[in-house]
Amino acid sequence: GAGVSQTPSNKVTEKGKYVELRCDPISGHTALYWYRQSLGQGPEFLIYFQGTGAADDSGLPNDRFFAVRPEGSVSTLKIQRTERGDSAVYLCASSPSTDTQYFGPGTRLTVL
Amino acid sequence: SQQGEEDPQALSIQEGENATMNCSYKTSINNLQWYRQNSGRGLVHLILIRSNEREKHSGRLRVTLDTSKKSSSLLITASRAADTASYFCATVRMDSNYQLIWGAGTKLIIKP
Repeated sequence: GAGVSQTPSNKVTEKGKYVELRCDPISGHTALYWYRQSLGQGPEFLIYFQGTGAADDSGLPNDRFFAVRPEGSVSTLKIQRTERGDSAVYLCASSPSTDTQYFGPGTRLTVL
Repeated sequence: SQQGEEDPQALSIQEGENATMNCSYKTSINNLQWYRQNSGRGLVHLILIRSNEREKHSGRLRVTLDTSKKSSSLLITASRAADTASYFCATVRMDSNYQLIWGAGTKLIIKP
C-alpha cells in the first residue's frame, strides 16, 4: 500500500514568509509525528498527534510553528515569519500504535 | 535534545565485511530502534528491541541491547554496496510511549 507522502519535496522561501508543509499518513494510522532534521544530525521531535489532537507539542521551537490535523488524517505544519535557521528537512511519520514509525521522504525547506 | 550517541561517526569497509555500529543513551528506555537513511531523506525502520530483550535478529542484521550499560549495537553481516547509508538509533523513554529520541547517526560506506 501507499506509504507516508509529504508535499512539497522541496520548498525555497524568503526570510519572513509563511510556509505550509503537508503530510499524508498511511491510511488508518492514528498517530502522526513531525520531526526536523538538520544536516549531519538526527531528527528532532516537534509534535505528536493522536487522532485530531496534538498530544504533545513540546518540541515546537517557538510560537512561529504550528501544526494541525483537523480530520485525524492529513496534517499541515505551518511556519510563520520564516528565519534562515528554520532551514532543514521536515519529516513526517505515522504509526498504527506507538511502536514502529513509518517515515515519509521529507520536505527540504530552504529559507534564503 | 538528542539522547543517543552513535559511534563511530563514520565507517568505511569493504563489501563482504561485517559492519558494527554502537549506540549509547542516557535514560531508562521502553525500547530502542534502528533506522537507515539514504541521502538525507526517508528513514526506514530496521529493527526494534524492547528493554527486556537482549538480542534480536532480522536477516543480515543483529541487534544487541545492554540496559545496564545503556548501550546497543547493530551488526550488519556480509555487507553490500546497497547498505551504504546513515544509520540511526532512536530510543523511546520509559515515561513516554511514543517520542523517539535520536542520535546523530553513523555514516556507513561500503566500498565495492
